[in-house]
Amino acid sequence: DVKVTQSSRYLVKRTGEKVFLECVQDMDHENMFWYRQDPGLGLRLIYFSYDVKMKEKGDIPEGYSVSREKKERFSLILESASTNQTSMYLCASVPSLGYTDTQYFGPGTRLTVL
Amino acid sequence: SQQGEEDPQALSIQEGENATMNCSYKTSINNLQWYRQNSGRGLVHLILIRSNEREKHSGRLRVTLDTSKKSSSLLITASRAADTASYFCATVSGYSTLTFGKGTMLLVSP
Repeated sequence: DVKVTQSSRYLVKRTGEKVFLECVQDMDHENMFWYRQDPGLGLRLIYFSYDVKMKEKGDIPEGYSVSREKKERFSLILESASTNQTSMYLCASVPSLGYTDTQYFGPGTRLTVL
Repeated sequence: SQQGEEDPQALSIQEGENATMNCSYKTSINNLQWYRQNSGRGLVHLILIRSNEREKHSGRLRVTLDTSKKSSSLLITASRAADTASYFCATVSGYSTLTFGKGTMLLVSP
């Protein structure tokens, strides 16, 4: 079974801190994604990566950056956390960007910024 | 940008009843997928239907797709309390990133 893990289930940070959210997948998938999920807004794509060191902006990249130094690991970085970044963050991976591929999700990290 | 929109936003039924959720979208798609999310957890893929398919079944799930109306429905038959979750549709178009709707919260009471 594909396994996608995220470094923390719950995280509390202070405004202005630099925050790292880590995601690891164990199935050699090419593509990885970061979403945030907010009540009433559904899931929104922040960034995705289709290869090592490659990244593409999603719908809401402002305030975030990403890093993909190894194929299995995709990190989301909040350079200076703000209270409006309090949210549930979900990582996902997929073997290839194809018409029939489904995404495999991690359990999520609930981030609170005080 | 939001593509799929689920309807209703919330649905409450008794065990054994059928649950129907609808999804509408705006632009042409390659495929449409349904996911389930248990409270506070990650999403789990349920079923995928391609744009050239009209109906698909998987266990107690039945998905229909009407591309002329840009809509899809998810039917869960003989619901169980364990089906309580949020259900999301997601569309794939162009370069194949998923665009999710806001979800339907389903509550199945024993």
